[in-house]
Amino acid sequence: DGGITQSPKYLFRKEGQNVTLSCEQNLNHDAMYWYRQDPGQGLRLIYYSQIVNDFQKGDIAEGYSVSREKKESFPLTVTSAQKNPTAFYLCASGQNTGELFFGEGSRLTVL
Amino acid sequence: GIQVEQSPPDLILQEGANSTLRCNFSDSVNNLQWFHQNPWGQLINLFYIPSGTKQNGRLSATTVATERYSLLYISSSQTTDSGVYFCAVFMGSWGKLQFGAGTQVVVTP
Repeated sequence: DGGITQSPKYLFRKEGQNVTLSCEQNLNHDAMYWYRQDPGQGLRLIYYSQIVNDFQKGDIAEGYSVSREKKESFPLTVTSAQKNPTAFYLCASGQNTGELFFGEGSRLTVL
Repeated sequence: GIQVEQSPPDLILQEGANSTLRCNFSDSVNNLQWFHQNPWGQLINLFYIPSGTKQNGRLSATTVATERYSLLYISSSQTTDSGVYFCAVFMGSWGKLQFGAGTQVVVTP
């Protein structure tokens, strides 16, 4: 099936640990994005990438890191420097028209 | 940066009712999308509508870019329409989609 796959769907982490969220797409989209959503809130942009081996910070990049080694993949690492990492994380992909398509999300809980 | 405001913040409907959701934005945008976030959190694309009117079943949307607003119409609402509706605008900088805070819709039987 064509689409965007995020894994894992649920993740628990102890404080002080880094964790990596996976995002894979087979839509042949050039651009990929990571958004964060807190309860009752809208989505905020963490990082985005328009092309392989290049990425830009979004509005809330502190405490996160990404890589874009392949067109299909855009993993997000939530580092121990992120002060409040418990949230719902959504990955998206799209072309330069701006129309984005989202994965099903990963819910991270820090214990 | 650009401001995206959605109204109303909450909406309770009886099944079968019609409703209108509004999205205002503070600056010129290249494109606009409407999404429905289901109870499991997934964002479903409803409309990609930089201008004009589109219809998809019981849903339709209109964007008047010159006046900086978009409307989402839900007709004959069903309980499956419950969830949060977001509008998001695509600004000049390639790839940055700015979201509104959403409208929480609850459709009761």
